[in-house]
Amino acid sequence: AQKVTQAQTEISVVEKEDVTLDCVYETRDTTYYLFWYKQPPSGELVFLIRRNSFDEQNEISGRYSWNFQKSTSSFNFTITASQVVDSAVYFCALTVYNQGGKLIFGQGTELSVKP
Amino acid sequence: GAGVSQSPSNKVTEKGKDVELRCDPISGHTALYWYRQSLGQGLEFLIYFQGNSAPDKSGLPSDRFSAERTGGSVSTLTIQRTQQEDSAVYLCASSLRINTEAFFGQGTRLTVV
Repeated sequence: AQKVTQAQTEISVVEKEDVTLDCVYETRDTTYYLFWYKQPPSGELVFLIRRNSFDEQNEISGRYSWNFQKSTSSFNFTITASQVVDSAVYFCALTVYNQGGKLIFGQGTELSVKP
Repeated sequence: GAGVSQSPSNKVTEKGKDVELRCDPISGHTALYWYRQSLGQGLEFLIYFQGNSAPDKSGLPSDRFSAERTGGSVSTLTIQRTQQEDSAVYLCASSLRINTEAFFGQGTRLTVV
């Protein structure tokens, strides 16, 4: 069975602080995909990144960066110089190769960025 | 369409009534997924379609729930004899192929009274 754990339920930071959202996953499969989604107050889930299990390169996109470490089964997400608009619930998700792309979501981390 | 479109945005129904929720995926996307989001259960997978076929219905909570997809496009999720525990936000997503990134609609908030 697969599982995704986001141990941080809520995080509160002040604007311009850096913040890291943790994600730990469990799977016995060797081919899998990891995702991060953002859910702002409007409710729509917004895709941020997809990473496959064979690519452990870290990725940076503007203020966002992702650290994928298979050795610790973690796929952490860092926001640099946070802004109020980053306030949202962030979900980490996992799908394995032979399950049709269905996503197993973590419980989400609610990030609040205060001015 | 430009994005995944779901209708209605909100639905209030009386316990015992049937409801239909509609999803219009992004044009050309072959895979379509239904999820449910509720406070106590988080985001749960319900069913997915590859074309018009549903290879995995394992997430449907009971036989009151069914879904179909026609023409490789629009999908309808039907809940019969609604119960209060069915109250949740129902999310639809589509992806170009399975295992690629899925794009979500804005959801249908269902309230059973």
